Amino acid sequence: SYELTQPPSVSVSPGQTARITCSADALPKQYAYWYQQKPGQAPVLVIYKDSERPSGIPERFSGSSSGTTVTLTISGVQAEDEADYYCQSADSSGTYVFGTGTKVTVL
Amino acid sequence: EVQLVESGGGLVQPGGSLRLSCAASGFTFSSYWMSWVRQAPGKGLEWVANIKQDGSEKYYVDSVKGRFTISRDNAKNSLYLQMNSLRAEDTAVYYCARDRWVRGADNYYYYYGMDVWGQGTTVTVSS
Repeated sequence: SYELTQPPSVSVSPGQTARITCSADALPKQYAYWYQQKPGQAPVLVIYKDSERPSGIPERFSGSSSGTTVTLTISGVQAEDEADYYCQSADSSGTYVFGTGTKVTVL
Repeated sequence: EVQLVESGGGLVQPGGSLRLSCAASGFTFSSYWMSWVRQAPGKGLEWVANIKQDGSEKYYVDSVKGRFTISRDNAKNSLYLQMNSLRAEDTAVYYCARDRWVRGADNYYYYYGMDVWGQGTTVTVSS
């Protein structure tokens, strides 16, 4: 089965840049999607199709892709960005998979 | 307002059954694929199943195949998850989510992610 690997945690100071990677273990690479989840809340889509941002999501959230690794970048991190972040993709059989999740801590 | 509201969670013994419901409002439910996603206590997200607009296609994660059945009633704007032979490892918060697909200029459909989520319903499997 398809697996997506993320670092367990990322720490960043306010105003700095946080980068979260998501690596796929198999080809072909599908598009990736990113979700933010704060404690006790449902996930929120912050990036779709590797680098597109839904309406209402701040410009400081951006996504990029290189080979089988995608990256979520949060520029000018704010305290409110402290949350868990999950990447998501699809495999060739029509099923979806989430990454292992990354906890972003704002110092 | 676009909204998804789950219900039906609760405490059930191992081997038991439970049926979750998800009521949709504020959008044309019959136009969207829908998914169930779960999250075990202190763990990450796990996609469980999804269903096409007319119910003709359904996909499941391997761990629930043969035990869970996803279905929908477009006349009632509702999504369901029938869970049988429940195990302790099925204990989780279960979310329903709307899958967004958009037709591109090339007439292919492209997946735009799960853009609307419910608040979740908790399922606990324990004796």
